[in-house]
Amino acid sequence: SAVISQKPSRDICQRGTSLTIQCQVDSQVTMMFWYRQQPGQSLTLIATANQGSEATYESGFVIDKFPISRPNLTFSTLTVSNMSPEDSSIYLCSASQVATEAFFGQGTRLTVV
Amino acid sequence: KNEVEQSPQNLTAQEGEFITINCSYSVGISALHWLQQHPGGGIVSLFMLSSGKKKHGRLIATINIQEKHSSLHITASHPRDSAVYICAVGSMDSNYQLIWGAGTKLIIKP
Repeated sequence: SAVISQKPSRDICQRGTSLTIQCQVDSQVTMMFWYRQQPGQSLTLIATANQGSEATYESGFVIDKFPISRPNLTFSTLTVSNMSPEDSSIYLCSASQVATEAFFGQGTRLTVV
Repeated sequence: KNEVEQSPQNLTAQEGEFITINCSYSVGISALHWLQQHPGGGIVSLFMLSSGKKKHGRLIATINIQEKHSSLHITASHPRDSAVYICAVGSMDSNYQLIWGAGTKLIIKP
């Protein structure tokens, strides 16, 4: 199994600023994903973080708003750019080495004021 | 129709009661996950299942692959069990991505 450390666990940010969320995995994993949970909603996939190349974004999410980095097989970051109150959500990273496993960060609760 | 359906959406029970939360899915899966989301938003992985039954403390998770159904049970429930419980499935077709249920909000009253 793998352990994911996600930071920060929560933050309150001013509108117009950017926040970078980090996920560190204690072992190499093939796949890493970033999800968003808006208030009262299910978790929704933002993008798949690809090691050494650009992330693959889901419909409705764009790189300019949610730039993602994955410099190696154990680390990824998600940046929420030019934040507005509508970006207030929980952001979650997950990782998989094989299709039958998934590991999760603890989530980041973001409030934009 | 959502690919992952949880029931009930909300559940309030008295301390000590036996709790059952259900998850039905319509896709072929590689694995099913149960997670607990605390009131502050923090998320904890409880179980990962591909068959049968798993037990951890007062929590029991079962899955019936033929019926495409899983249940999460809590025995001797306690107010600290109050949280949102989320079911997520790894679809065979989705390249490791997860499909999430909407969650079940559980409140255990003392």
